[in-house]
Amino acid sequence: KQEVTQIPAALSVPEGENLVLNCSFTDSAIYNLQWFRQDPGKGLTSLLLIQSSQREQTSGRLNASLDKSSGRSTLYIAASQPGDSATYLCAVISGNTGKLIFGQGTTLQVKP
Amino acid sequence: NAGVMQNPRHLVRRRGQEARLRCSPMKGHSHVYWYRQLPEEGLKFMVYLQKENIIDESGMPKERFSAEFPKEGPSILRIQQVVRGDSAAYFCASSRPSGGTTGELFFGEGSRLTVL
Repeated sequence: KQEVTQIPAALSVPEGENLVLNCSFTDSAIYNLQWFRQDPGKGLTSLLLIQSSQREQTSGRLNASLDKSSGRSTLYIAASQPGDSATYLCAVISGNTGKLIFGQGTTLQVKP
Repeated sequence: NAGVMQNPRHLVRRRGQEARLRCSPMKGHSHVYWYRQLPEEGLKFMVYLQKENIIDESGMPKERFSAEFPKEGPSILRIQQVVRGDSAAYFCASSRPSGGTTGELFFGEGSRLTVL
């Protein structure tokens, strides 16, 4: 059974810092991994999608890496801003029905 | 290009009533997924549907919950005889016909159900 874990559960940093969010999964047989952002009381915004054959994806100040063999992904946020404050969710697709298995999320606070 | 549309955004029901949540996928998407987010918990998969077919309902409670995605119209998540424990945010996601195994899932804003 696939399980996804995110560390840390919460993180508070001053504005401008670079930071790394971690995600691990127990079954390396995944199809892809997706990072999302969720603001309080809102839906999920897709940030980055990494296919199983890829090692990383970049979008603006965000960079996500994937190491299937070790069951790990990291989301790197460069030059953090207060607007980056949100909960970041990691999710993997494994199995043939395409359903996402989510981690519990990392709640990030960037202080001005 | 409208995103995944869910309605109602907020729904209040008394115990024993029925709740119906609707989801219109993004244009060109024929795969729909429903997820539930309980207070202080993560997102849990409920059901995966394609037009007129339930593909995977392994996350759906066996009783009171049902889902459909008809040939025409939105996908419906139906909860009969609601109880307080059903209070949660229900999210719908959609993906292209290639399916979620390689495709990206896009989520709606969610429907927040409160059971009094």
